[in-house]
Amino acid sequence: EVQLVQSGAEVKKPGESLKISCKGSGYNFNNYWIGWVRQMPGKGLEWMAIIYPGDSETRYSPSFQGQVSISADKSISTAYLQWSSLKASDTAIYYCARHLVPAVIGNYYYHYMDVWGKGTTVTVSS
Amino acid sequence: QSALTQPPSASGSPGQSVTISCTGSSSDVGGYDYVSWYQHHPGKAPKLMIYEVSKRPSGVPARFSGSKSGNTASLTVSGLQAEDEAEYYCSSYAGSNTLFGGGTKLTVL
Repeated sequence: EVQLVQSGAEVKKPGESLKISCKGSGYNFNNYWIGWVRQMPGKGLEWMAIIYPGDSETRYSPSFQGQVSISADKSISTAYLQWSSLKASDTAIYYCARHLVPAVIGNYYYHYMDVWGKGTTVTVSS
Repeated sequence: QSALTQPPSASGSPGQSVTISCTGSSSDVGGYDYVSWYQHHPGKAPKLMIYEVSKRPSGVPARFSGSKSGNTASLTVSGLQAEDEAEYYCSSYAGSNTLFGGGTKLTVL
């Protein structure tokens, strides 16, 4: 069974750093894109970024470029999302998801998410 | 790029059909056949229900179907069942970004 298991809830203060994780199992982690989706309180979903663990290629939403960093350690089938300095507005649930990439259109990848984790709640408050 | 527009709520009785709309623009929904739909029960992992407008992944019941006309995509749930009560999100390719709708809470009366 393909599964994505995310790290537990975090409570942080503004200005602190944070790295959350997502461990894949049941498939060849190296050969599938994996990424992150944000859900702020009471709001809809927002696509953030993806990474291809095989070669560490990354793609970011323009809204999140420079705000977060995505990485992966293929030796332990785990993807990460990292902040260097958290803000209160980073309070949200963060979902990791395996992304399928059926097409490349110019410089951009069409992708959709076929398997999701259960989410990691991040609370940033002073 | 703005989020896609979905009605906040929809409802139907068991056995009925309900359709949820998702409106974008010619730069996203209308420009490509790259719309997907996700079902989300609170506290659980979201689930892919439809991709590329109308394709169903293995294991998704045929009661779920997708379509598109112009800048609006639709998800139809036929033969509503109690377990269909959930939040539904549409998503579309939009070049450098992937957009989601705000979500529609489907209530089975």
